[in-house]
Amino acid sequence: DVKVTQSSRYLVKRTGEKVFLECVQDMDHENMFWYRQDPGLGLRLIYFSYDVKMKEKGDIPEGYSVSREKKERFSLILESASTNQTSMYLCASRGLGSNSPLHFGNGTRLTVT
Amino acid sequence: GQNIDQPTEMTATEGAIVQINCTYQTSGFNGLFWYQQHAGEAPTFLSYNVLDGLEEKGRFSSFLSRSKGYSYLLLKELQMKDSASYLCASSYNNNDMRFGAGTRLTVKP
Repeated sequence: DVKVTQSSRYLVKRTGEKVFLECVQDMDHENMFWYRQDPGLGLRLIYFSYDVKMKEKGDIPEGYSVSREKKERFSLILESASTNQTSMYLCASRGLGSNSPLHFGNGTRLTVT
Repeated sequence: GQNIDQPTEMTATEGAIVQINCTYQTSGFNGLFWYQQHAGEAPTFLSYNVLDGLEEKGRFSSFLSRSKGYSYLLLKELQMKDSASYLCASSYNNNDMRFGAGTRLTVKP
């Protein structure tokens, strides 16, 4: 079974702090994704990566950056956290092939005060 | 982004059948996925369609019409444990995957 592990389940940070959310997958998947999930808005794509050191903006990249130095790890960075970034953050990985589904981590609930 | 629309909430009775509809933009379309998400948990994969027609998997079936940009998830013999959010997602040629806002299904006794 694919395992996608997010480093923290709950995180509380102050406005202006730099925040790192880490995600590791163990199935050698090429594609990795970061989403945020908010009530009524569903899952919105922040960034995704289709290879090491490659990244593509999703629908809401503003205020975020990502890093993919190794295939198994995809990090989401909030350069200066703001209260409107309080959300559930979900990392996912996906293999090659159009029929490959996303495999999600358990999520990180981030609160910015 | 790609607009994916599905109803916000639905209610159905235990033992009944429910159909959850989804529409998506067809440009660059590469496949349609349905996921189930219980409260407080991560989404899990239910089904995949890329060709027109119905795919059946036990009590759950999923239908796709590529020309209409339309899919539905059909849940039969509803059980209380089927109360969850159902997420429609479409995959595109650039390899990303975009989601609708999700449909929260409540199954009542």
